[in-house]
Amino acid sequence: AQSVTQLDSHVSVSEGTPVLLRCNYSSSYSPSLFWYVQHPNKGLQLLLKYTSAATLVKGINGFEAEFKKSETSFHLTKPSAHMSDAAEYFCVVTLNGSSNTGKLIFGQGTTLQVKP
Amino acid sequence: EAGVVQSPRYKIIEKKQPVAFWCNPISGHNTLYWYLQNLGQGPELLIRYENEEAVDDSQLPKDRFSAERLKGVDSTLKIQPAELGDSAVYLCASAARGSYEQYFGPGTRLTVT
Repeated sequence: AQSVTQLDSHVSVSEGTPVLLRCNYSSSYSPSLFWYVQHPNKGLQLLLKYTSAATLVKGINGFEAEFKKSETSFHLTKPSAHMSDAAEYFCVVTLNGSSNTGKLIFGQGTTLQVKP
Repeated sequence: EAGVVQSPRYKIIEKKQPVAFWCNPISGHNTLYWYLQNLGQGPELLIRYENEEAVDDSQLPKDRFSAERLKGVDSTLKIQPAELGDSAVYLCASAARGSYEQYFGPGTRLTVT
């Protein structure tokens, strides 16, 4: 079965410093992995996705993530945090292959706080 | 391009009352999803439609929840009767045929008192 574990429920950084949000996944098949962001009272927005192409994936707003199969990880990073990055971030896995149902399995979320 | 539209955005009802949520997906998206998001948690799938067919409703509590997508476009999710534990955000998402990328609406925040 597929699952994701977000290792930190809350991350606090200062504006202008790097961001690291950690995610480990479990999947019996080649996974597709995503990061979504959710700002208060707004819908979930796709940041980036990995679907078996390049292992280093670049997304919107300067975020990127690296798929590491040996570590079963898909950590999200950004070189320099901005105040507008404060939000809830979800790591998501879905199943690849002919039996794919498109079902997204969400992690518990990481709250990113950005201090001035 | 308009995004996924949901209404109402907020709903407060008393327990045992019925409630309905509406979703209009992105034009041309044949796959529609309803998710439940409890406070402090990630969304969980309730039901998935391919056109008008519910292809995965294994997580839908069928004793009180129902959903329909009669013409394969917009969809309605209903709870009858609502319970206190149903207080949550109900999210709708849509995707193009064969795509893993789901687009989410803003959600409906339900409070049951």
